[in-house]
Amino acid sequence: QSALTQPPSASGTPGQRIIISCSGGTSNVGTNSVNWYLQLPGTAPKLLIYSSNQRPSGVPDRFSGSKSGTSASLAISGLQSEDEADYYCATWDDKLDDLIFGGGTKLTVL
Amino acid sequence: QVQLAQSGAEVKKPGASVKVSCKASGYTFTGHYLHWVRQAPGQGPVWMGWIDPNSGDTRYAQRFQGRVTMTRDTSLSTVSMEMEGLTSDDTAVYYCARYKTGYVGAFDMWGQGTLVTVSS
Repeated sequence: QSALTQPPSASGTPGQRIIISCSGGTSNVGTNSVNWYLQLPGTAPKLLIYSSNQRPSGVPDRFSGSKSGTSASLAISGLQSEDEADYYCATWDDKLDDLIFGGGTKLTVL
Repeated sequence: QVQLAQSGAEVKKPGASVKVSCKASGYTFTGHYLHWVRQAPGQGPVWMGWIDPNSGDTRYAQRFQGRVTMTRDTSLSTVSMEMEGLTSDDTAVYYCARYKTGYVGAFDMWGQGTLVTVSS
């Protein structure tokens, strides 16, 4: 059981805006920045958001990240079929002295 | 282009060791830490540790301390991860990932992954 809690699943229709949450504690999300990864089946994770709200070059501005207190969120607007994937949050945990990942959220585009 | 190319799939028996390699190209090898992350079937990623290709310094996650060794060969722009005492719980895809300097937990390039299967 991860110290970072994500909903196991989420769904939306094309064009919709969805939000995926990542809930942690004072030793991780509350203190450190959060990164988000997208993973398509059979492929390596891809960095989507770093430093809680920064997009690497090449990532569409439909993806945005935010953090407040001990929770972080990934928002995807203008949902597209190719957004169907697993999404993971990740951050450093000062108490565990470890880099931790959330359990992942499987996004389905209906 | 920037690329991390990993060695091929491995099948090992319980108690054996495995060594996975990761060859970097398209950037200055010594300019970025390289991390290892594994992912068991149907599970989320788990961080294993990092190596500084410049100095050879390493840092391992506590759960893997004493069982994992990360090394580098600067002449080949390659890092390796060796794990001993394998059990079925170590069956996973192992990834090397390039650290985006200055941003903890941000990996901006990943290898394609190496499946390690532990089975008797």
